[in-house]
Amino acid sequence: GQQVMQIPQYQHVQEGEDFTTYCNSSTTLSNIQWYKQRPGGHPVFLIQLVKSGEVKKQKRLTFQFGEAKKNSSLHITATQTTDVGTYFCAQGVYNQGGKLIFGQGTELSVKP
Amino acid sequence: DAGVIQSPRHEVTEMGQEVTLRCKPISGHDYLFWYRQTMMRGLELLIYFNNNVPIDDSGMPEDRFSAKMPNASFSTLKIQPSEPRDSAVYFCASSLGLVQPQHFGDGTRLSIL
Repeated sequence: GQQVMQIPQYQHVQEGEDFTTYCNSSTTLSNIQWYKQRPGGHPVFLIQLVKSGEVKKQKRLTFQFGEAKKNSSLHITATQTTDVGTYFCAQGVYNQGGKLIFGQGTELSVKP
Repeated sequence: DAGVIQSPRHEVTEMGQEVTLRCKPISGHDYLFWYRQTMMRGLELLIYFNNNVPIDDSGMPEDRFSAKMPNASFSTLKIQPSEPRDSAVYFCASSLGLVQPQHFGDGTRLSIL
């Protein structure tokens, strides 16, 4: 079935450092969504990317969709302790009506 | 606005018992999803409904699992009989469309002893 590769699995940073997580697929995606899950919480929607090469920003977060619509990245500039959590990409698959398949997530810890 | 409401928040039961998890989606959302989250397997889609009709149940582990949506405001996920390997956090989510953002409930943390 469809494989969603998300790397790295864990990332430990010092507060103020940057952070990036990557999401890759072997097939073309209809769209990609990013979610954040705080420890003990539930996934919360962050953003959706649809267009090839699309770049969207939310304050210190920058989201990018690859030109071939097969990969995406989330970059956080100058991390803060409030950024702690697991970041998931969720890929919409064309031949399954756009049904979302979640990656394994990247767990971010931030040391003050 | 009320979000997705799940009950119970925690459930501890012995293997072999029947477990029923409940979900109330956001009003007006046509899609409802059931997920299971474990450390080993991550976030897995079990089944989803569109307008109360099950569309894709390919993620349901086995016949011990069943899900229903009798009306637009209520869904259940049932496990009978339960086994220790069913221990996980079960999330319900709803959305306006299949490719629209999903809104998750707080989840049910299930422990089967």
